[in-house]
Amino acid sequence: NAGVTQTPKFQVLKTGQSMTLQCAQDMNHEYMSWYRQDPGMGLRLIHYSVGAGITDQGEVPNGYNVSRSTTEDFPLRLLSAAPSQTSVYFCASFRDRGQPQHFGDGTRLSIL
Amino acid sequence: AQKVTQAQTEISVVEKEDVTLDCVYETRDTTYYLFWYKQPPSGELVFLIRRNSFDEQNEISGRYSWNFQKSTSSFNFTITASQVVDSAVYFCALSEAQYTDKLIFGTGTRLQVFP
Repeated sequence: NAGVTQTPKFQVLKTGQSMTLQCAQDMNHEYMSWYRQDPGMGLRLIHYSVGAGITDQGEVPNGYNVSRSTTEDFPLRLLSAAPSQTSVYFCASFRDRGQPQHFGDGTRLSIL
Repeated sequence: AQKVTQAQTEISVVEKEDVTLDCVYETRDTTYYLFWYKQPPSGELVFLIRRNSFDEQNEISGRYSWNFQKSTSSFNFTITASQVVDSAVYFCALSEAQYTDKLIFGTGTRLQVFP
């Protein structure tokens, strides 16, 4: 039982490049979220989804794009990477509101 | 507004000391859920506990205990007889039942337990 799988674990990009962070879950959870973690700021919600075909913005959505074509997958796209997007990114899934979120192991992203 | 405040940025204790991590929350919802997560140095996020707003009973799990007080909007976490393995960043989080699907985290408290 893999839970939530994030790829890649590490990535270095140059400013202006684009890339997609992958997130897949095998628990058949309807809800999925993307967070970024920066020193002293905790985890901040970027985008979330309450089911296939439905996404919404979190606290810090600018510069990121998401889609949810299947229940299992919730990729996060950086359209034009900026140094301010250097962070650790976590994907999570959960069964319903108020239920614990299951987190992936994170992707450490550096933008030069 | 939905908000979680963890005022303690970093706490250092010596092994076997008791330590309490504070969490204060704000919400307009009458039904909500509170969580604690642990992030050890390896970086993963580990779920510790979930509490709903209708259950104010304190909970104890081994050396861990949680004190939920609606009157002061607090959900504090106590580790009794701390151990080096408790060294981690601990996050408190809030989820509302009615107004949003978002889970909002506090900024975390880094606990260092020295031998």
